[in-house]
Amino acid sequence: KQEVTQIPAALSVPEGENLVLNCSFTDSAIYNLQWFRQDPGKGLTSLLLIQSSQREQTSGRLNASLDKSSGRSTLYIAASQPGDSATYLCAVSRWALNFGKGTSLLVTP
Amino acid sequence: DAGVIQSPRHEVTEMGQEVTLRCKPISGHNSLFWYRQTMMRGLELLIYFNNNVPIDDSGMPEDRFSAKMPNASFSTLKIQPSEPRDSAVYFCASSLGQEDQPQHFGDGTRLSIL
Repeated sequence: KQEVTQIPAALSVPEGENLVLNCSFTDSAIYNLQWFRQDPGKGLTSLLLIQSSQREQTSGRLNASLDKSSGRSTLYIAASQPGDSATYLCAVSRWALNFGKGTSLLVTP
Repeated sequence: DAGVIQSPRHEVTEMGQEVTLRCKPISGHNSLFWYRQTMMRGLELLIYFNNNVPIDDSGMPEDRFSAKMPNASFSTLKIQPSEPRDSAVYFCASSLGQEDQPQHFGDGTRLSIL
């Protein structure tokens, strides 16, 4: 059974810092990996999708990497802003998504 | 573009009552997923459909839960009878059903069973 783990569970940083969120998974037989953002009381917003054959994807200040063989992914957020405060979820896919428990990020002004 | 639409946004009902959650996927998407989110267990897949056919319902907790997709633009998740432990946020998501395509989520239904 696929297990997805996210570290740390919570993170607080001052505005402007660069930060890294970590995700690990136990079964490398995946189609893709997705990073989501969830704001309190809201649904999930897809940030980045990395196909199993890719190594990384970038969108603005976000960069996600994938090392399928070691079962790891990282989400790098550059120059963090208070508006980045949210829970970030990692999910691996073989059609349906297996989610980690998320990292709760607080960026303080 | 309209995203995935779920209704109701909130539902509070008493134990034993029937609950029906509704989902309208993004037009043209042929895969639909129901997930449940709780503090203890996080987000878990309940069931998913491809071209209106249930593909994997192994996440459905028990016989009290049932899901249908009568056509490409509508799905329901029904709980009968409901129990307090069913309280959670239920999300519907849809995708183009290809491995390089992301899943798009609705805003969820927050369900409270008293």
